[in-house]
Amino acid sequence: KAGVTQTPRYLIKTRGQQVTLSCSPISGHRSVSWYQQTPGQGLQFLFEYFSETQRNKGNFPGRFSGRQFSNSRSEMNVSTLELGDSALYLCASSSRLRGEANTGELFFGEGSRLTVL
Amino acid sequence: TQLLEQSPQFLSIQEGENLTVYCNSSSVFSSLQWYRQEPGEGPVLLVTVVTGGEVKKLKRLTFQFGDARKDSSLHITAAQPGDTGLYLCAGVRNDMRFGAGTRLTVKP
Repeated sequence: KAGVTQTPRYLIKTRGQQVTLSCSPISGHRSVSWYQQTPGQGLQFLFEYFSETQRNKGNFPGRFSGRQFSNSRSEMNVSTLELGDSALYLCASSSRLRGEANTGELFFGEGSRLTVL
Repeated sequence: TQLLEQSPQFLSIQEGENLTVYCNSSSVFSSLQWYRQEPGEGPVLLVTVVTGGEVKKLKRLTFQFGDARKDSSLHITAAQPGDTGLYLCAGVRNDMRFGAGTRLTVKP
C-alpha cells in the first residue's frame, strides 16, 4: 500500500511569490491534514479536509489556503510569501470518517521543505 | 503559546541510560498520541492512549496518560542509538494538535 506522497520535496522561492504544494493520501483515506513544522514552533495545524470540504482550520492568515479534490488529493497554496513561511510542510492522511470525533492515526508524508529568500 | 508543552526540549544521553519526557496541557483530550520523527521523514505513530491513568508498553518504551487526560509521559529504559529522534505528543479533540517535541540524542 503506497504511503502519503508529497510534491515537491524541496523548493526555493523569493518573497512575494506564491507556492502550491501537493499531497496524495493513502488510497481509501478521505481525511487530509496539513501542518507547518519549524524548529521553534513544532508542528502547527493548518487545516483539515474531508471529502472536498474544509473541516477544521488552524490559526494562520488567509494567505494560506487549501483544497481537496474528488480523488482526495489535496493542495495547499501560500500567497505573497514571507521569510517566516520557510518551513517543512507536512501532509497527513487518516481513515477518519465523517462525524467521527477522533482523528485516529495520522500517516505523514515526508514533507515539502520550502525556503523563502 | 503551545497547547501542548513538551519537556525537555533537547536531551542528550549515553547508550544504556533511562529517560523520561513529558507532555503537559491545561486542556483535556479524548486521547493522546506519541509520534517519533527521524530526519528527512514524517512523524510515525508510536502509541495512542485513551483512558485516564492508562499505561502502555512498547518494548523499552512506557507511555502513561494522566488521570485527568491533560498530560502524558514517555519513559525509555536502556536507551539505544536507534531511539534518537524527535518525539512528538499530539492531543486529540476535534482535530489533532502537536507539541513542539523533545529532540533526543542517544550517544553510543
